[in-house]
Amino acid sequence: AQRVTQPEKLLSVFKGAPVELKCNYSYSGSPELFWYVQYSRQRLQLLLRHISRESIKGFTADLNKGETSFHLKKPFAQEEDSAMYYCALSGNTGKLIFGQGTTLQVKP
Amino acid sequence: NAGVTQTPKFQVLKTGQSMTLQCAQDMNHEYMSWYRQDPGMGLRLIHYSVGAGITDQGEVPNGYNVSRSTTEDFPLRLLSAAPSQTSVYFCATRTSQLNTEAFFGQGTRLTVV
Repeated sequence: AQRVTQPEKLLSVFKGAPVELKCNYSYSGSPELFWYVQYSRQRLQLLLRHISRESIKGFTADLNKGETSFHLKKPFAQEEDSAMYYCALSGNTGKLIFGQGTTLQVKP
Repeated sequence: NAGVTQTPKFQVLKTGQSMTLQCAQDMNHEYMSWYRQDPGMGLRLIHYSVGAGITDQGEVPNGYNVSRSTTEDFPLRLLSAAPSQTSVYFCATRTSQLNTEAFFGQGTRLTVV
């Protein structure tokens, strides 16, 4: 079964502080992992995917198969990063499953 | 190029009423899905489709029906609305290729009284 767990409902940091949003997954095959972001009053949009190993808006995420984790990190948070972040997992059945979401609040 | 279009944006239903949420896409994507978004529960998959004529249940399918007669449309039907179905509903599409991005509609806010 596919499962995604985001243990933190809310993460509150000050501007300039490092950020780490946790994501753990359960899947027996080779997972496709993503981070999506939802800014206030906007649609969900892709932030990054594990296969690309890219940095988007200063965010990075590394797939750790041993720990079944895909944590999202940014060294210096900005106020415009305040949003809801979702970790998502896709397997080979076409299903895309999301975690519970973490609200990131960056205080000035 | 409209992308993913959901209608209506807002809806209030009385308990026991039925309705259909519409989702249309013009990107020729094979995969389409319906999610509901609730505080503290995240996005939960209701039903999904990997192509015209093929649908399957997600995590929370009870009380909802879907059909996929065309590539473009994937309506979600509430047969007899209940207050527990008060939520924000999102439709999403993506291609069948690996590691591709899902595109979301703007959401439908449904209240069942």
